[in-house]
Amino acid sequence: DVKVTQSSRYLVKRTGEKVFLECVQDMDHENMFWYRQDPGLGLRLIYFSYDVKMKEKGDIPEGYSVSREKKERFSLILESASTNQTSMYLCASSYSRGYGFNEQFFGPGTRLTVL
Amino acid sequence: AQSVTQLDSQVPVFEEAPVELRCNYSSSVSVYLFWYVQYPNQGLQLLLKYLSGSTLVESINGFEAEFNKSQTSFHLRKPSVHISDTAEYFCAVSLRDDKIIFGKGTRLHILP
Repeated sequence: DVKVTQSSRYLVKRTGEKVFLECVQDMDHENMFWYRQDPGLGLRLIYFSYDVKMKEKGDIPEGYSVSREKKERFSLILESASTNQTSMYLCASSYSRGYGFNEQFFGPGTRLTVL
Repeated sequence: AQSVTQLDSQVPVFEEAPVELRCNYSSSVSVYLFWYVQYPNQGLQLLLKYLSGSTLVESINGFEAEFNKSQTSFHLRKPSVHISDTAEYFCAVSLRDDKIIFGKGTRLHILP
């Protein structure tokens, strides 16, 4: 059974803290994605990685960075958390670049609250 | 540029009644179309997809969607909803670079 796991379901941090969100997939997928989900705004792509050590900015990369040192793991980093980064964060993965028709598999999400 | 519009943010419907969730897309190139569902407190999961061929696609739990190229639509329908269908539904367009553009979602509320 395919699986994408995220390190925490709920997280509470203080303004200015450095925050790490971890995502692991066991499907040997090349692509991995980080989205944030906010009411009325749907899902917005933060960063996308199509291979180890490769990354591309999505639609809203400001305030975030990512790391992909191993194929199965994709980390989202908030260098200095701010209250406007309070949101639901979803990780996803899919098969390789250029096909387009491959579905993305999602983790359960991390609800981050920044106080 | 590609975009996805879900015309209704919320849809209330009585149990066992039919439902249609509307989705329109814009694209200058061929796209692949998806509906994802998000049950409460869960991540998204694929409900159905259109890649090519028959314009009517079905899911295992009774939903269907029809690709209409002339109207650039991909509406989702179910003839009789159940309380377990309570969820948020996202229409999505996939691009050749493997990114997906999601609509803003439609919350389906099933009324007893």
